[in-house]
Amino acid sequence: GENVEQHPSTLSVQEGDSAVIKCTYSDSASNYFPWYKQELGKGPQLIIDIRSNVGEKKDQRIAVTLNKTAKHFSLHITETQPEDSAVYFCAAIEDFGNEKLTFGTGTRLTIIP
Amino acid sequence: EPEVTQTPSHQVTQMGQEVILRCVPISNHLYFYWYRQILGQKVEFLVSFYNNEISEKSEIFDDQFSVERPDGSNFTLKIRSTKLEDSAMYFCASTTQRGSSEAFFGQGTRLTVV
Repeated sequence: GENVEQHPSTLSVQEGDSAVIKCTYSDSASNYFPWYKQELGKGPQLIIDIRSNVGEKKDQRIAVTLNKTAKHFSLHITETQPEDSAVYFCAAIEDFGNEKLTFGTGTRLTIIP
Repeated sequence: EPEVTQTPSHQVTQMGQEVILRCVPISNHLYFYWYRQILGQKVEFLVSFYNNEISEKSEIFDDQFSVERPDGSNFTLKIRSTKLEDSAMYFCASTTQRGSSEAFFGQGTRLTVV
């Protein structure tokens, strides 16, 4: 089955700086890679996703890049703000044959004012 | 914005008791899921449900677990005889597409088994 590794487990950045979180996956058939933000006491919220037919996707201050050959994908947050502080999870799925998302272990991002 | 709603937000139960966790998925969604997150660990898949039947389940989802969609809106997870290790945050999710693409998660139910 799929295995997703995520690094780092914790990340602190100064407000205004950029944050990068990286994930690797094991199943080359995986074709959909969402990123979730989980704030304290809340459920995971989808913030951006990418499919294997593109290499990069951007939504305002958030971007995701995918390297299919190396089987890794990354979340980039620019101009970080205090409200970006949360736990971020990457996930992967081969969504033609499977039902379940396989999640990474999570990154606790802290933005220092 | 439509959202997945879960009740209760927190459930405390004695070991061996039955619990039912409830979810109201987004109304036009067709695929429904339960995930759980033990404190400090990653989110784990439990079960997926489509067209009134289970479409996939994990090894965690043993005979003590069951799901149903009794009235076309609620989606429930039942744990027949709870164990201490069932203590976790349980998340319901729904989507219009198979394979958890663009899945929307509820806020979760924290289950504490004592």
